[in-house]
Amino acid sequence: AQRVTQPEKLLSVFKGAPVELKCNYSYSGSPELFWYVQYSRQRLQLLLRHISRESIKGFTADLNKGETSFHLKKPFAQEEDSAMYYCALSTGFQKLVFGTGTRLLVSP
Amino acid sequence: NAGVTQTPKFQVLKTGQSMTLQCAQDMNHNSMYWYRQDPGMGLRLIYYSASEGTTDKGEVPNGYNVSRLNKREFSLRLESAAPSQTSVYFCASSVEVAGNGELFFGEGSRLTVL
Repeated sequence: AQRVTQPEKLLSVFKGAPVELKCNYSYSGSPELFWYVQYSRQRLQLLLRHISRESIKGFTADLNKGETSFHLKKPFAQEEDSAMYYCALSTGFQKLVFGTGTRLLVSP
Repeated sequence: NAGVTQTPKFQVLKTGQSMTLQCAQDMNHNSMYWYRQDPGMGLRLIYYSASEGTTDKGEVPNGYNVSRLNKREFSLRLESAAPSQTSVYFCASSVEVAGNGELFFGEGSRLTVL
């Protein structure tokens, strides 16, 4: 069965510290993975997708098929990065399976 | 261009009452979805519609029905609400290109069943 695991409910860091939000997946097919973000009082929105190999707002994520992971990283956290982050796995035809989410809190 | 619009934003029901959550999108997307968001559970897919005229069950369809009224609108109905259906409901839409993965979400509808 397809599953996405985000082991941390809350990640609290200070401004300027590195951030790594963990995501592991279970899927027998070829995975397509995404990170979504929900800022306070805003809609859930796509942050980045692994297939694009892009950096958005300083965040990057590398798909590691050997470790079945897709961790989200940023070298220097900013206060405006505080949000709820969801890792998601596409199981075909846009059926996304979401993880339980990690709340990132960046303190000044 | 409003994107995905859901109504109502808030609703309180008594056990056994029925209600319909409405969703409309103005992006000409073929696919639409209903998710529920619960603390510690993330987002779980209730139903989806790959195109006008088709609907399919997601992970947690029990207790819900859906209607894809036309390309723009996708409604979610609770026939006999239960406290376990207290949740925040999100409608979303997307282009159907496989692997695109970009869902556009509504603002959510917070439902409380007493």
